[in-house]
Amino acid sequence: DSGVTQTPKHLITATGQRVTLRCSPRSGDLSVYWYQQSLDQGLQFLIQYYNGEERAKGNILERFSAQQFPDLHSELNLSSLELGDSALYFCASSGGGTLNTQYFGPGTRLTVL
Amino acid sequence: AQKVTQAQTEISVVEKEDVTLDCVYETRDTTYYLFWYKQPPSGELVFLIRRNSFDEQNEISGRYSWNFQKSTSSFNFTITASQVVDSAVYFCAEGYSGGGADGLTFGKGTHLIIQP
Repeated sequence: DSGVTQTPKHLITATGQRVTLRCSPRSGDLSVYWYQQSLDQGLQFLIQYYNGEERAKGNILERFSAQQFPDLHSELNLSSLELGDSALYFCASSGGGTLNTQYFGPGTRLTVL
Repeated sequence: AQKVTQAQTEISVVEKEDVTLDCVYETRDTTYYLFWYKQPPSGELVFLIRRNSFDEQNEISGRYSWNFQKSTSSFNFTITASQVVDSAVYFCAEGYSGGGADGLTFGKGTHLIIQP
């Protein structure tokens, strides 16, 4: 158990809908990262937050957004969902220093029908 | 741009054999970090090791060992006396600290199958 929690574990929705994925980092970790794992793209970094502020953006679509709250939990919002958004979404957390080890949550499996 | 290549898509060995997973990386920075993660069939990503670019000392931890060679941009991972529980997808990743951004670049993964 990495100490990072993600909810829900599974999510099934329809095209065009909007969903919110939630992540709670390990106790004391200030950085939260979101990654997408799909069969065709592999594991891709989406976005990073550090202590409530956006720190880095990767291959995140404009339809996707995230935020980190004062209690350090984070949410990833996915809107106007398409079939291709079906993937495993991971949240990771780290202590916040330069390239500290990232510990991953169990992931949320999103299926868009 | 960062790039991580794991040329071995799938490896199948019989239990107790030694197996080496290859990883080659490209990076623009002189200071970077390399990681190995394991993804068992249950789906979670499990951290195995982190290596700094300025530390080329190789290491052995139990049945696992790592060979980091900066001259060839390789960071290979070896499992000695493999066990069925080692069956998983193994990912190599590289982290580049540019302006405080810490997103990792992952390879495509190597699916390791340990047959009893």
